[in-house]
Amino acid sequence: GAVVSQHPSWVICKSGTSVKIECRSLDFQATTMFWYRQFPKQSLMLMATSNEGSKATYEQGVEKDKFLINHASLTLSTLTVTSAHPEDSSFYICSASRSISGANVLTFGAGSRLTVL
Amino acid sequence: DAKTTQPTSMDCAEGRAANLPCNHSTISGNEYVYWYRQIHSQGPQYIIHGLKNNETNEMASLIITEDRKSSTLILPHATLRDTAVYYCIVRVGNTGFQKLVFGTGTRLLVSP
Repeated sequence: GAVVSQHPSWVICKSGTSVKIECRSLDFQATTMFWYRQFPKQSLMLMATSNEGSKATYEQGVEKDKFLINHASLTLSTLTVTSAHPEDSSFYICSASRSISGANVLTFGAGSRLTVL
Repeated sequence: DAKTTQPTSMDCAEGRAANLPCNHSTISGNEYVYWYRQIHSQGPQYIIHGLKNNETNEMASLIITEDRKSSTLILPHATLRDTAVYYCIVRVGNTGFQKLVFGTGTRLLVSP
């Protein structure tokens, strides 16, 4: 079955540093990937839509200069949290879209837990 | 995308069928119904999807009413590992770029 690999699964960093999270579709090509974040006991919140070869589309309220997204190939999208602060601590999840019988199904990564000290 | 309404939480005894309802009264003709679930501290997992007909796979069955305004996800023999938050989402098909927005879902607790 389709697999999306996300790395790292957890990371701890100091305030002010930048952290990069990778999302790879292992056995299928993904023109579009999505990035979500999730705070404890809350639902997933869509941050941005990552399109291969073009700029990402950010949701309202998400700072594009803080959350840099690069989708350089059909199997890799990266999210870089720049100048991270404690309030950026969260669970970040990526997903990739694939077509099944006319519908578009998302396959999700296992998530990356970021803790900013 | 059409909005969905799900109960906040449900309980189910291990081994029994879990029937999770979802209302999507404003669904349009080209929107699919998708079900995902999220086990604690993991990424969401795709379960099943459908357009008009009932669907079944190795994980679950999806029953969609004739008017498509509601659906039910059925886990025929719930196990403890099925404890998770279940999300019902409607979304247009054949548009891979279209975002998928999660609601609050139903928290299913399967007990021994």
